[in-house]
Amino acid sequence: EPEVTQTPSHQVTQMGQEVILRCVPISNHLYFYWYRQILGQKVEFLVSFYNNEISEKSEIFDDQFSVERPDGSNFTLKIRSTKLEDSAMYFCASSVSGQGPRPQHFGDGTRLSIL
Amino acid sequence: AQSVAQPEDQVNVAEGNPLTVKCTYSVSGNPYLFWYVQYPNRGLQFLLKYITGDNLVKGSYGFEAEFNKSQTSFHLKKPSALVSDSALYFCAVREGGYNKLIFGAGTRLAVHP
Repeated sequence: EPEVTQTPSHQVTQMGQEVILRCVPISNHLYFYWYRQILGQKVEFLVSFYNNEISEKSEIFDDQFSVERPDGSNFTLKIRSTKLEDSAMYFCASSVSGQGPRPQHFGDGTRLSIL
Repeated sequence: AQSVAQPEDQVNVAEGNPLTVKCTYSVSGNPYLFWYVQYPNRGLQFLLKYITGDNLVKGSYGFEAEFNKSQTSFHLKKPSALVSDSALYFCAVREGGYNKLIFGAGTRLAVHP
């Protein structure tokens, strides 16, 4: 069964540095998402992306964050000037359609640790 | 505002017994409801969904869920629990017109031999 793949599985970065988290969505999916889960807290929506533009974003997704689909297969989340509170598990997801009942399929996540 | 509540942090069940993991939701429009399971060091794995129609939906690994509109609930059930069902379970809702999933806090299911 096709899977969403995320790299790296664990990223350690110094505070203030930029980090790029990478995802390869399922190949025939058109909608892409990033979520994060701070340790001990809920899974939170960050952003959704369709047709090379952001379709929806949360209050968390401020100017520090950006997303990009640099080619036909990758989907990236860039975090500029990282802060300690950015430490979390970041999940990428994809779906065939953006609304309605089609489920989102998740990768195994990237654990981001900011020192 | 959309929200999901999972009132139990942990559910303990003996192997072979039925299990229920509770979920209630709040949306202003029509809900699409989902259950996901997370095993250690893995992502969220889709189990089942409710769209419309039959209030009892069946999913992967023998799980099912019952939608109750009047109680705004979507409880996850399984007639006979397995030790391998032990994991973290998340209920999620998507409101029509929105892309995002809103997740509950998760319930840890522990099935004892």
